Amino acid sequence: DAGVTQSPTHLIKTRGQQVTLRCSPKSGHDTVSWYQQALGQGPQFIFQYYEEEERQRGNFPDRFSGHQFPNYSSELNVNALLLGDSALYLCASSLGANQPQHFGDGTRLSIL
Amino acid sequence: GQNIDQPTEMTATEGAIVQINCTYQTSGFNGLFWYQQHAGEAPTFLSYNVLDGLEEKGRFSSFLSRSKGYSYLLLKELQMKDSASYLCAPSGGSYIPTFGRGTSLIVHP
Repeated sequence: DAGVTQSPTHLIKTRGQQVTLRCSPKSGHDTVSWYQQALGQGPQFIFQYYEEEERQRGNFPDRFSGHQFPNYSSELNVNALLLGDSALYLCASSLGANQPQHFGDGTRLSIL
Repeated sequence: GQNIDQPTEMTATEGAIVQINCTYQTSGFNGLFWYQQHAGEAPTFLSYNVLDGLEEKGRFSSFLSRSKGYSYLLLKELQMKDSASYLCAPSGGSYIPTFGRGTSLIVHP
């Protein structure tokens, strides 16, 4: 039974570029959340998807957008990358809201 | 909004007991999660408290007092592998857990 899988593992981009990160939830889970974790900080909530709709959104600009597909997998898109976007991006899945979230290993994004 | 306060770093000896405290303020409250995160790895779920009291799960226990906005994680019989960051995450009215900066626990021989 596969857990949450994310791709790619690492990514290097330059300022102004765009990036797409991908996530497959744990089998049986229907809710996907995305977090940004800077070094030495806790994960910061970006947004949550359920039934292919963005259900909740954290304090992130519109440059951050996402999508959820019918098979519950999800993508995080970031446009016009800034140096400050360098971080570990974590995907977490759960069965519904307010249930323990299971995290993927994350994508480490570096902006040069 | 939500404010979460937990110590930045703690050290303890192998075999000992350590208590990691967390105080929080939330807009609404639906429960509190504790996660463990080893360096360079993803957070892993430890516990979830909805009602007041102590929840015990093996060497780890978690306590919640909703009226005081207070929780703690108790780790017994510490092992070297328990060296990690421990994240307190209350869930508010939106049902989205908000993570604190975490407490870095260092276990030494």
